[in-house]
Amino acid sequence: KNEVEQSPQNLTAQEGEFITINCSYSVGISALHWLQQHPGGGIVSLFMLSSGKKKHGRLIATINIQEKHSSLHITASHPRDSAVYICAVANTGNQFYFGTGTSLTVIP
Amino acid sequence: EPEVTQTPSHQVTQMGQEVILRCVPISNHLYFYWYRQILGQKVEFLVSFYNNEISEKSEIFDDQFSVERPDGSNFTLKIRSTKLEDSAMYFCASSGTQKGGRRNIQYFGAGTRLSVL
Repeated sequence: KNEVEQSPQNLTAQEGEFITINCSYSVGISALHWLQQHPGGGIVSLFMLSSGKKKHGRLIATINIQEKHSSLHITASHPRDSAVYICAVANTGNQFYFGTGTSLTVIP
Repeated sequence: EPEVTQTPSHQVTQMGQEVILRCVPISNHLYFYWYRQILGQKVEFLVSFYNNEISEKSEIFDDQFSVERPDGSNFTLKIRSTKLEDSAMYFCASSGTQKGGRRNIQYFGAGTRLSVL
């Protein structure tokens, strides 16, 4: 069973497009994390959310606790945004569950 | 900028051998984590550590695994008797200068690739 589901699994976009990646979860959570994994394997934390919305540069993350859903948006996408984007949730017991990731390719 | 460092970057071992993966978390962080990612699969949580003890562990983290913070700077993951299926990338992370670590951004190391032959 998957506690965290992401969609789409793969996404190809033209440079400049607005991108949305979705995450749904089935467990009660204390926080939701969006992570970026580069082709070399390194992982970078983008956002930690427990409610509402956060913005950092061209990235925006939102969460709807009632609907158990979060979205990651990228405005004015660029080839350097190409990576795997992972949604992870921390449940109230401090266990973490990861989605399978969304592989994004931005074409110049 | 402070970072989490992991050594070695690649460890090759024979099945049945013990391995220790090392991590140096960010110095003022309070919460420490190990994750693994089998090639082509999703990241999986192994264990979280706070105040010198395990605070949470997953089903994967069985008696073959142990963690330790031996000297206040290193955070190690030991696998007692490695199996072929332990081959994976192992990531260490740290977070939290405040109590309530699960609500803090985590900083990840670059990972150690473990290959069990």
